[in-house]
Amino acid sequence: EAQLVQSGAEVKKPGESLKISCKGSGYSFTRYWIAWVRQTPGKGLEWMGIIYPGDSDTRYSPTFQGQVTFSADKSISTAYLQWSSLKASDTALYYCARSGITASGYYMDLWGKGTKVIVS
Amino acid sequence: EIVMTQSPASLSVSPGDRATLSCRASQSVNTNLAWYQQKPGQAPRLLIYDASARATGIPARFSGSGSGTDFTLTISSLQSEDFAVYYCQQYNNWPPYSFGQGTKLEIK
Repeated sequence: EAQLVQSGAEVKKPGESLKISCKGSGYSFTRYWIAWVRQTPGKGLEWMGIIYPGDSDTRYSPTFQGQVTFSADKSISTAYLQWSSLKASDTALYYCARSGITASGYYMDLWGKGTKVIVS
Repeated sequence: EIVMTQSPASLSVSPGDRATLSCRASQSVNTNLAWYQQKPGQAPRLLIYDASARATGIPARFSGSGSGTDFTLTISSLQSEDFAVYYCQQYNNWPPYSFGQGTKLEIK
């Protein structure tokens, strides 16, 4: 069974760094893109960007460009989302999801359960 | 950036009735549109992709239609498990592949 397993909830202080993970299993991890999605009560779902674990090609939403970094380690089928200096406004639930199902199909058909990040 | 607008923001419908949810794009997204369902405490679940194709395991009571800028998700006979928040997402023009703000489907 294909699944994405995300790392556990984090509580951090403003200015701290953080790296959360998303481990894929049950499918060819390097064949699909991984998308990151932020969810907050006020703004709903926000598409942050995508990374292709096969070669670590990344595409960022303008809103998140320069604010976060995506990376991947294909040897362990894991994608990462990291911050170098957290802000209170980064408090949210972060999902990873499988994307790029077809050449033009960048919908998301498999989701992790989410990682809650609290910055306070 | 393409702005996706969903209407209504919330919808009260009785079990067994039909629900019709709308999603409008600020410019054409062709048929590159997906619908997701999200229940409290759960991740979103893909229902519809390419505007009208049902994802694996999705019941036939869910259907999607539309192209260009106007799209509809129809749930033909609401079951208790269908009460949730529904989001549309375009994946025609990036970045970003934007979401709508959601429609909350409530029991009447």
